[in-house]
Amino acid sequence: EVQLVESGGGLVKPGGSLSLSCAASGFTFSNAWMNWVRQTPGKGLEWLARIKTKPVGGTTDYAAPVKGRFTISRDDSKHTVYLQMNSLRTEDTAFYYCTTGGYYFDFWGRGTLVTVSS
Amino acid sequence: EIVLTQSPDTLSLSPGERATLSCRASQSVSNNYLAWYQQRPGQAPRLLIYGASSRATGIPDRFSGSGSGTDFTLTISRLEPEDFAVYYCQQFGSSPFTFGPGTKVDFK
Repeated sequence: EVQLVESGGGLVKPGGSLSLSCAASGFTFSNAWMNWVRQTPGKGLEWLARIKTKPVGGTTDYAAPVKGRFTISRDDSKHTVYLQMNSLRTEDTAFYYCTTGGYYFDFWGRGTLVTVSS
Repeated sequence: EIVLTQSPDTLSLSPGERATLSCRASQSVSNNYLAWYQQRPGQAPRLLIYGASSRATGIPDRFSGSGSGTDFTLTISRLEPEDFAVYYCQQFGSSPFTFGPGTKVDFK
C-alpha cells in the first residue's frame, strides 16, 4: 500500500523558514517523480514543485509564486522528499501535500499545516 | 498559465441520481491532459480520472470522464452516499499545472 506521510508543518513568522518532509513507502521511491501541492480555502489547490528521478537528471520545476524561495529535494536512500521554504509570507499559509506523479497526481499524503503569522 | 473554471459551484442531488460536472479551460489543453480528483471532508484529494477519460486504479465505473480541447466533463452515473464530496479538475498539458476551483456535490 502506498503511503506518504508529511511532517514539519507549524507556525512560523513572516520572513522565516520551514522544512517539510514526506516519508514514502509501498512503492519504488527512486522510480517516482514527486511533487508538493498546497491547498488554501481562498486559492484552492496549487501545484508548487516537482522533482524528477535521478536517471532523468533529478531536475526540478517550480510554480512562479515559490520559485527562488522554495527548494524541493529528495533522498532516495531515505525514501523521502523535502520542501525547504524560505522567506515565508502570510499567503503561504496552507495545507501542504506531497504527491507522486510526473504530471497528474496518483497518490497524496494526508498533508501538513503551515501557518505564517506574526 | 491555463485557467480552469468549473461549473456549477454546487450541485445538489440525491443518491441514485446522475451528476454532470463541467470543467472549462482558458485555452486548449494539450493532448487532453486533464485529470479529475475527489476530495471528501478531512481527506486529501484522490485521483479519479487522467487523460480526460482514463479511470485511475480502483475507481468504480460509475465515474467517467469525457471532453477535449477546452471543455471537459466528469459524469457520475448513479450517486452513492460516499460520492458526496468536492471534485476538482487539473490540467497537466502545460506548466504550471493548474487546478479548477472545484464543484461541491451535496445532498438535496
